[in-house]
Amino acid sequence: QKEVEQNSGPLSVPEGAIASLNCTYSDRGSQSFFWYRQYSGKSPELIMFIYSNGDKEDGRFTAQLNKASQYVSLLIRDSQPSDSATYLCAVKERGTSYGKLTFGQGTILTVHP
Amino acid sequence: DGGITQSPKYLFRKEGQNVTLSCEQNLNHDAMYWYRQDPGQGLRLIYYSQIVNDFQKGDIAEGYSVSREKKESFPLTVTSAQKNPTAFYLCASSSQHSNQPQHFGDGTRLSIL
Repeated sequence: QKEVEQNSGPLSVPEGAIASLNCTYSDRGSQSFFWYRQYSGKSPELIMFIYSNGDKEDGRFTAQLNKASQYVSLLIRDSQPSDSATYLCAVKERGTSYGKLTFGQGTILTVHP
Repeated sequence: DGGITQSPKYLFRKEGQNVTLSCEQNLNHDAMYWYRQDPGQGLRLIYYSQIVNDFQKGDIAEGYSVSREKKESFPLTVTSAQKNPTAFYLCASSSQHSNQPQHFGDGTRLSIL
């Protein structure tokens, strides 16, 4: 069973701090990696995706991918209370068709004023 | 606006009853997916479809059925064989390109009466 594991939460950070969310995956051939944000009672929304090793920045968000170590992380700089949500890591594994993804269990982030 | 529409938002099922959840998309996406989310859990794949008139079982297909008669529509039936149907059901779609993300509808919350 291929797995996607996220760091256990909940994670609590003060406003203005950097929040670091981590995700490891078991399939070394995984190709694409996605971070979704899910507010309580709502559906997931895509915030970042990354395909190549290294960092990818988009505003306050940075995704980091290390395929050799099989982990992907999401950094949120200058965290705001509005960033409080569950963050889901999703992985497209080798050999899967179209956009079929495997999701982690999610990490709850709370940003307190 | 392009998007994915799920209906109803809330649904109640009586003992022994089948219920159908609707999912329609106007994004011209080839692939569509159904997920189940239980409280505090990640997303588990029920069924997915890459093309009209074809679909595959996901990880937890027992007690569910789907059809894909039109590209835009992928309804999910929760049958009476599904003994624990209370959950948040999410429909998603993606394009045929393998690295494209999935986009989600707003979800249907199903409860037992």
